Amino acid sequence: AQKITQTQPGMFVQEKEAVTLDCTYDTSDPSYGLFWYKQPSSGEMIFLIYQGSYDQQNATEGRYSLNFQKARKSANLVISASQLGDSAMYFCAIMDSNYQLIWGAGTKLIIKP
Amino acid sequence: EPEVTQTPSHQVTQMGQEVILRCVPISNHLYFYWYRQILGQKVEFLVSFYNNEISEKSEIFDDQFSVERPDGSNFTLKIRSTKLEDSAMYFCASTDRRMNTEAFFGQGTRLTVV
Repeated sequence: AQKITQTQPGMFVQEKEAVTLDCTYDTSDPSYGLFWYKQPSSGEMIFLIYQGSYDQQNATEGRYSLNFQKARKSANLVISASQLGDSAMYFCAIMDSNYQLIWGAGTKLIIKP
Repeated sequence: EPEVTQTPSHQVTQMGQEVILRCVPISNHLYFYWYRQILGQKVEFLVSFYNNEISEKSEIFDDQFSVERPDGSNFTLKIRSTKLEDSAMYFCASTDRRMNTEAFFGQGTRLTVV
């Protein structure tokens, strides 16, 4: 069975600093996709970044990048130059060959001014 | 930009009542999902739907739940007889491929069972 582990329940980061949110996964599927979503206090789920298991390069989307270490089964999200608006819950998820997204417990990120 | 639309945004219902949560996925997407998130907890997969039938469902998705695509655009989740523990945020999502692409999520429907 697939599993996602986010070991940081909460993080405080100073504005403008970079932040790394940890995500490790466990799957026996050779083909899978890894996703990061942001959930602000309003509740909606906002897609941030995707990494495919066969992608050779780490994914980047603006200030978001994914540090994908396949052998270690980790897919950490890096947010550069954090902003106050980055304060939210962040979820890591894996999509497996059964087309399901399996979610981590999330990390609550709070950006301090 | 295309988006997934869910209605209503918030529904309050009495225990034992039937509720139907509605979703309009992105028009060229083929795979549809329902997830739920109990307040303060992780997001949980409920069901996936493709080609007018359920592809996969979790153990949460018992006989009280059903999904339907009645008219080729709407995608509904019905809870036949709601329980207090069904109170949660319900998210609809769609993708244009099985995997290797983002799942677009709706804004969610917050269901409160009283």
